[in-house]
Amino acid sequence: EPEVTQTPSHQVTQMGQEVILRCVPISNHLYFYWYRQILGQKVEFLVSFYNNEISEKSEIFDDQFSVERPDGSNFTLKIRSTKLEDSAMYFCASSGGQGQETQYFGPGTRLLVL
Amino acid sequence: GESVGLHLPTLSVQEGDNSIINCAYSNSASDYFIWYKQESGKGPQFIIDIRSNMDKRQGQRVTVLLNKTVKHLSLQIAATQPGDSAVYFCAENIGNNAGNMLTFGGGTRLMVKP
Repeated sequence: EPEVTQTPSHQVTQMGQEVILRCVPISNHLYFYWYRQILGQKVEFLVSFYNNEISEKSEIFDDQFSVERPDGSNFTLKIRSTKLEDSAMYFCASSGGQGQETQYFGPGTRLLVL
Repeated sequence: GESVGLHLPTLSVQEGDNSIINCAYSNSASDYFIWYKQESGKGPQFIIDIRSNMDKRQGQRVTVLLNKTVKHLSLQIAATQPGDSAVYFCAENIGNNAGNMLTFGGGTRLMVKP
């Protein structure tokens, strides 16, 4: 069964450093998403991406965040200058579009900012 | 102020019993709803979904009920098994279109006693 994959599974970084989280969505899906989950809290929407541009973003997704689909398979989330409060699980998701709205989630990347 | 971790409501059931997990959603404009299961350290796993033009949908061992009048969603799990132990989240989607953000509820922890 196709699934969303994410790398790395864990990332430890120093405050102020840039990190790039990588995702490979399900291959025939058209919509891509990033969510985050701070330890013990709800899953929160960050951004959705379709047709090579952001279609929706939340207040969390400020200028420090960016997304990119650098090739036909990868979808990345970049945090330019990490803060302590960016420590969280980051989940990538994808959906098929065209009446297939179900979003399928990857296993997540645990980001720890020290 | 500083946000605190969620105190998840917990449902404890005996193996073989039926489980009912409830969710109140906030936006009357939401028209697509999904239940996700999240095991420790993993991403949300799709269980079942329902559109707002339905009030009941059944899957394998699971049933979702939607009451739009009181903005209430429930997930029923028949013959609960130890492998069902997880945190269950409802999520709502406004617009019934792919690419829309999901808004997650706070989650309920299901514990199945063997």
